[in-house]
Amino acid sequence: AQTVTQSQPEMSVQEAETVTLSCTYDTSESNYYLFWYKQPPSRQMILVIRQEAYKQQNATENRFSVNFQKAAKSFSLKISDSQLGDTAMYFCAFSTAGSQGNLIFGKGTKLSVKP
Amino acid sequence: DTEVTQTPKHLVMGMTNKKSLKCEQHMGHRAMYWYKQKAKKPPELMFVYSYEKLSINESVPSRFSPECPNSSLLNLHLHALQPEDSALYLCASSLAIGFSGYTFGSGTRLTVV
Repeated sequence: AQTVTQSQPEMSVQEAETVTLSCTYDTSESNYYLFWYKQPPSRQMILVIRQEAYKQQNATENRFSVNFQKAAKSFSLKISDSQLGDTAMYFCAFSTAGSQGNLIFGKGTKLSVKP
Repeated sequence: DTEVTQTPKHLVMGMTNKKSLKCEQHMGHRAMYWYKQKAKKPPELMFVYSYEKLSINESVPSRFSPECPNSSLLNLHLHALQPEDSALYLCASSLAIGFSGYTFGSGTRLTVV
């Protein structure tokens, strides 16, 4: 069975600084996808970034980047130049390719950006 | 159109009521999902539809009844719910099951009284 673990229930960061959220996962599959989702108090689940397991290059989206370590089954999210609007719950999620590939979520990390 | 639209946004219902949640997308996605999310918890998968057929039912009680009338629409019919069923119900869609790229709606906040 696949599992996703986020070991940091809560984190805080000063505005304009950099923060890294950790995520580890366990799977025996070779073809899968990893995601970071953001859920602000408005409750909309917003895709921040995704990574295909077969790609060695780490994904980047503006201020958001990942450190994907496939052998270590680690998938951390780095947020640079943190903004107040980044305050939200962040979920790491995993999906296998194929007919059983629904999203499996970690427990989440609550990030607070302080002015 | 790159959105998943859920209605209503809020719903309060009694334990003897029958109500329905609606989810709609026009992105040509052929997989649609219902998730249940309790406060401060991650979403939990309830049902998956693939090409309008029920593909996954995560042992959800029969008081929840999903329906997929066409490729754009997903309903969740509610009957005789319990107070512990109060939660945020999220709908999502993807091009196909296991295909990278899930789009979520903003959810229906359900309160059972």
